[in-house]
Amino acid sequence: NAGVTQTPKFRVLKTGQSMTLLCAQDMNHEYMYWYRQDPGMGLRLIHYSVGEGTTAKGEVPDGYNVSRLKKQNFLLGLESAAPSQTSVYFCASSPLGGTTSDTQYFGPGTRLTVL
Amino acid sequence: GQNIDQPTEMTATEGAIVQINCTYQTSGFNGLFWYQQHAGEAPTFLSYNVLDGLEEKGRFSSFLSRSKGYSYLLLKELQMKDSASYLCAVSPKSGGYQKVTFGTGTKLQVIP
Repeated sequence: NAGVTQTPKFRVLKTGQSMTLLCAQDMNHEYMYWYRQDPGMGLRLIHYSVGEGTTAKGEVPDGYNVSRLKKQNFLLGLESAAPSQTSVYFCASSPLGGTTSDTQYFGPGTRLTVL
Repeated sequence: GQNIDQPTEMTATEGAIVQINCTYQTSGFNGLFWYQQHAGEAPTFLSYNVLDGLEEKGRFSSFLSRSKGYSYLLLKELQMKDSASYLCAVSPKSGGYQKVTFGTGTKLQVIP
């Protein structure tokens, strides 16, 4: 099993450009999450999904859109990138939503720079 | 809401013991996670404490006091590979991982 994978690993954008980050998991998990991590801020939830075809807003959703057309994939879109979106983005998945123990798995991250 | 506080940086010597503290204030509490995150990598799960007391897993132990809103991660026999950030995260009473709040992390440097 590959677990949770993210594409791309690195990306540099100019202000106003758009891009899509892809997250894929092969564990048949229902729940998927997108986080951003900034220095001194900790991990913050952007959007999440509780199943195929569903999405919901997290703590910092502005400027991002998501889609979960297939159970194994969760896409994060930036329609018009801004320098404030320079960050490291982590995708995660879990079989259920409840926090019971070691059941949330993180992808390796995407480092995005917006100039 | 939830407020989590942990030291920004710590330095410790190889072979020694280090304790990383985490205090939290929350309107509802279910449990507390500790994650390890090496530079440029994803967080990896270390422990999840729900009950008061100490849980030991090899060189790593985690303690929780629900009444004091306090937890610590204890690393024994430090190795150079333990140099990483350690994230404390609080899980509320209601809601799943989408409600978990992460602290800013403690960057641990292990020196020879």
